[in-house]
Amino acid sequence: EAGVTQSPTHLIKTRGQQATLRCSPISGHTSVYWYQQALGLGLQFLLWYDEGEERNRGNFPPRFSGRQFPNYSSELNVNALELEDSALYLCASSWDDDTWNTEAFFGQGTRLTVV
Amino acid sequence: QKEVEQDPGPLSVPEGAIVSLNCTYSNSAFQYFMWYRQYSRKGPELLMYTYSSGNKEDGRFTAQVDKSSKYISLFIRDSQPSDSATYLCAMNAGGGNKLTFGTGTQLKVEL
Repeated sequence: EAGVTQSPTHLIKTRGQQATLRCSPISGHTSVYWYQQALGLGLQFLLWYDEGEERNRGNFPPRFSGRQFPNYSSELNVNALELEDSALYLCASSWDDDTWNTEAFFGQGTRLTVV
Repeated sequence: QKEVEQDPGPLSVPEGAIVSLNCTYSNSAFQYFMWYRQYSRKGPELLMYTYSSGNKEDGRFTAQVDKSSKYISLFIRDSQPSDSATYLCAMNAGGGNKLTFGTGTQLKVEL
């Protein structure tokens, strides 16, 4: 069974541009999570999508946004890129609802470099 | 103060040693506890998943949760060079996988 897949593996953008990152969850999982892993800061929760809706977001500015498609895949968009946005962006999927959750499995990540 | 504290290491042990990795936390609402292993430039791999207090064993790995002390541990028996990685503890309060991570402990198992 395929795990969580992310594309592209690497992405280089110029400051001020927009970046789009993609994630396909494990089959049967309806929730997709995005995390940022910046050097020295550890993994920080960005966004949670479930059944096509944004359910929660972390302490990040509005230029970090995304969406979830009917097939449960997801996109993360980062507008007006800043140098500090350079990080490994990780997607995870699980089967959750408002009251409980199952194990979250991560993809290999997209390494975004802003120059 | 961070919600989850984890010694960053690095921790260096000889092959075959028992490794103990720990995290402390401050949020008493946390009830799901996980350990992930992350190799360099790769995504985190789920090792152990536990709910509430108690022990869970899986092969060479044992996870312990003490909610009264807000303390969780991961033990690795008969450590191997392939165990060399960064180990991340993570936890949440339920109702979705908005995980709070420790900063990770870098482990090196030497021949």
